[in-house]
Amino acid sequence: AQSVTQLDSHVSVSEGTPVLLRCNYSSSYSPSLFWYVQHPNKGLQLLLKYTSAATLVKGINGFEAEFKKSETSFHLTKPSAHMSDAAEYFCVATTSGTYKYIFGTGTRLKVLA
Amino acid sequence: NAGVTQTPKFRILKIGQSMTLQCTQDMNHNYMYWYRQDPGMGLKLIYYSVGAGITDKGEVPNGYNVSRSTTEDFPLRLELAAPSQTSVYFCASSSPTSGYNEQFFGPGTRLTVL
Repeated sequence: AQSVTQLDSHVSVSEGTPVLLRCNYSSSYSPSLFWYVQHPNKGLQLLLKYTSAATLVKGINGFEAEFKKSETSFHLTKPSAHMSDAAEYFCVATTSGTYKYIFGTGTRLKVLA
Repeated sequence: NAGVTQTPKFRILKIGQSMTLQCTQDMNHNYMYWYRQDPGMGLKLIYYSVGAGITDKGEVPNGYNVSRSTTEDFPLRLELAAPSQTSVYFCASSSPTSGYNEQFFGPGTRLTVL
């Protein structure tokens, strides 16, 4: 069965320092993987998506993620955190042609001034 | 494209009242979903639909009903509202055949049952 594990429920970084949000997945098939961001009292916005075209995926607002099949990981990174990055981040997996999307439990990113 | 739209944005219900949360998408997506998000938690799937006339239960369907008479609309009905249904409700849509298959989310409906 598919599962998604976000390894940290909370991450705190200082403004201007790198961000790393970790996500591991398990799947019997080649997954499609997504990172979504949810700012307080807002809906979910797609940051980036992996659909097997390229293992390094660039998203909006300077975020990127690398798909590593050998490690079953899809970690989200950003070189320099901004105060506006403070939000909840969700890693999501699905398999082509299915209705089912598996959500991680979320990582709350706090950015310190 | 407006994407996925939801109405209302906020609603307060009394215990036992009923209401319908509206969801519309203009992307011609076959798949549509209803999720609820409780404070500090992730999303839980209530119901989903793979096309007009086809719906099925998700993880937490009790107390809810849905219908899908058109591709565009996927309303969620709450009968006999209970405090446990206080939550934020998100509608989403996707198109698994598009090659990208990400979900598009609406802005949410914040429901309080008192």
